[in-house]
Amino acid sequence: AQKVTQAQTEISVVEKEDVTLDCVYETRDTTYYLFWYKQPPSGELVFLIRRNSFDEQNEISGRYSWNFQKSTSSFNFTITASQVVDSAVYFCALEGSARQLTFGSGTQLTVLP
Amino acid sequence: GAGVSQTPSNKVTEKGKYVELRCDPISGHTALYWYRQSLGQGPEFLIYFQGTGAADDSGLPNDRFFAVRPEGSVSTLKIQRTERGDSAVYLCASSLGLAGNTEAFFGQGTRLTVV
Repeated sequence: AQKVTQAQTEISVVEKEDVTLDCVYETRDTTYYLFWYKQPPSGELVFLIRRNSFDEQNEISGRYSWNFQKSTSSFNFTITASQVVDSAVYFCALEGSARQLTFGSGTQLTVLP
Repeated sequence: GAGVSQTPSNKVTEKGKYVELRCDPISGHTALYWYRQSLGQGPEFLIYFQGTGAADDSGLPNDRFFAVRPEGSVSTLKIQRTERGDSAVYLCASSLGLAGNTEAFFGQGTRLTVV
């Protein structure tokens, strides 16, 4: 069985602050993929990143960065210099041998002006 | 179209009625997924198609739920004898069908309300 835990239900920050969203996962698969999706108020899930289990290199894309640590089964997401447009629900997800995504319960991020 | 299209965007139905939700995936995507998202929760997997066949329907909650994809493109999720607990947003996604090698693109969902 797979499980994704996002312990932070809601986070509120002021614009330009950095914020980290935590994600912890459980799986018995040796090969798996980790994802982050953004869900703005419009409801559509927007893909942000995919990482496979054999690649523990951290990744940076503009103001976004991801820290994958297999030893702690974590895949955390940091937004640097947050902006109001970053306000959304963010989901971490896992795909293992079964071709389906297991999502966490999401973190509601609110960036205040 | 450019993205995954789901119709209708909203559906209100009476308890006990039958509903059909449609998903039009991105052209050329062989994999199609249905998820259900309840308020305040992450999406939960329902069923996965590879081409025309249901490769994994382990997420369907009971036999009132059924999905088809007869020509390997458009899919229809069918719910019989709807119950108030079926109220949720039903999300469809499609991908090129390579395991974890390409992202799933999601539609905007159909919000189903059973009254």
